[in-house]
Amino acid sequence: GEQVEQRPPHLSVREGDSAFITCTYTDPNSYYFFWYKQEPGASLQLLMKVFSSTEINEGQGFTVLLNKKDKRLSLNLTAAHPGDSAAYFCAVDQGGRALIFGTGTTVSVSP
Amino acid sequence: NAGVIQTPRHKVTGKGQEATLWCEPISGHSAVFWYRQTIVQGLEFLTYFRNQAPIDDSGMPKERFSAQMPNQSHSTLKIQSTQPQDSAVYLCASSPGTDYAEQFFGPGTRLTVL
Repeated sequence: GEQVEQRPPHLSVREGDSAFITCTYTDPNSYYFFWYKQEPGASLQLLMKVFSSTEINEGQGFTVLLNKKDKRLSLNLTAAHPGDSAAYFCAVDQGGRALIFGTGTTVSVSP
Repeated sequence: NAGVIQTPRHKVTGKGQEATLWCEPISGHSAVFWYRQTIVQGLEFLTYFRNQAPIDDSGMPKERFSAQMPNQSHSTLKIQSTQPQDSAVYLCASSPGTDYAEQFFGPGTRLTVL
C-alpha cells in the first residue's frame, strides 16, 4: 500500500524566514494531495489541494509544489510569522477513500 | 455551517469501560471518515461510510471497535472494554463524497483511558 514519508519532523525558523517541508510517496496511482495545518489543541485545517502533475500553487503565505515524476510534494511557508507555528501534515488520496497522512512536521516560528 | 461536530470533546474512562463517540457531519456531505491520532502512530485511518453504508473498515481493530451510521446526520464510534492503548484523539471528517473531494475535520474527541 501507499506509504508517505514526511521530513523534517521538526523545524524551527525565525520570523521572515522560509520553512520547507517535503513528503515523498510510493504509489504512482496516487492522484490527489493535500496539506493540512493543525494548531495546538485544534483540529486539521485544509490548506490546499493539488492534483496536477508538476504544479505550483500559491496560497496566502505559502507555496505548494507537486512533482509526480519524483513522487514528491512540498510545502514552503514563505516569510513565516509566529501564527504559522503549528503541525503540518501532507495527505494522499487514492480515489475517494481514506487519506494516508505523512508523519507531520512541527514548525516553530520565533519572533 | 457549523462544520463537523464531535461530542464529547473529552472523555475519560476506566479500563474495561465502554466509550461511545459521536460525529455529526456537515449537512449534505455523504461520506464520513474516522481517524485516530496519537503521538506515536500519528494519524491513522479507522473506517468510513458513504451514503450511510460502511465502505472500508480496514483500519479498525477487529476486536472491541465498531462504527455505525444510522442516519445521514450522525455516526458513532464505539469502543468496548477500553484499554490504555486506546487513549488518543479520535477525529471525524466528512466530505461531499465525490472522488478526491476534500475532507473537513471535526475538533476531535480526546479519549483518556485510565
